[in-house]
Amino acid sequence: TQLLEQSPQFLSIQEGENLTVYCNSSSVFSSLQWYRQEPGEGPVLLVTVVTGGEVKKLKRLTFQFGDARKDSSLHITAAQPGDTGLYLCAGEGGGADGLTFGKGTHLIIQP
Amino acid sequence: NAGVTQTPKFRILKIGQSMTLQCTQDMNHNYMYWYRQDPGMGLKLIYYSVGAGITDKGEVPNGYNVSRSTTEDFPLRLELAAPSQTSVYFCASSRHHSYEQYFGPGTRLTVT
Repeated sequence: TQLLEQSPQFLSIQEGENLTVYCNSSSVFSSLQWYRQEPGEGPVLLVTVVTGGEVKKLKRLTFQFGDARKDSSLHITAAQPGDTGLYLCAGEGGGADGLTFGKGTHLIIQP
Repeated sequence: NAGVTQTPKFRILKIGQSMTLQCTQDMNHNYMYWYRQDPGMGLKLIYYSVGAGITDKGEVPNGYNVSRSTTEDFPLRLELAAPSQTSVYFCASSRHHSYEQYFGPGTRLTVT
């Protein structure tokens, strides 16, 4: 069974601060996806990283896939209250059952 | 396009009752999934389907059944509801098992 560990589990910071959350595994993934989930809604895809060492930027969000394709990080610059939500990473291992999800990081950005 | 729709939004069941959670997608996706999400536990895969007429168990299938008679619909059946099935249930679909999954808004189920 492939497991994804996300850290921290909870993070509350002030608006304008920078933060990094992590997604780690002992398994290699073909690709890794990051989703954001807001209260009362389903997760929505932010980005997919495929190549080891890959870095993708989405405005103030920077995603990196580890060289060995076992881990990933999400860095947010100058966090805003609109960034508040549950951030989930999900790894694709090649099976028809799709993605393995981490437990998520609950992020609260206080104004 | 409506994407993935789920009904009902909320439901309270008594122990031993049965119900069906409905899921429909209009994106012509072959792959569909049912997850449950419990506080602090992330998304657990219950069942998935790779196309009409084909279903398979996920990580936590006990107490649930599914069917996939059409590409669009993937209902989840609870036969004898138990308090352990209190959760938020999400249906999702994707074009391929490695591609982006599109999620419905969820069904919040309470069994008392």
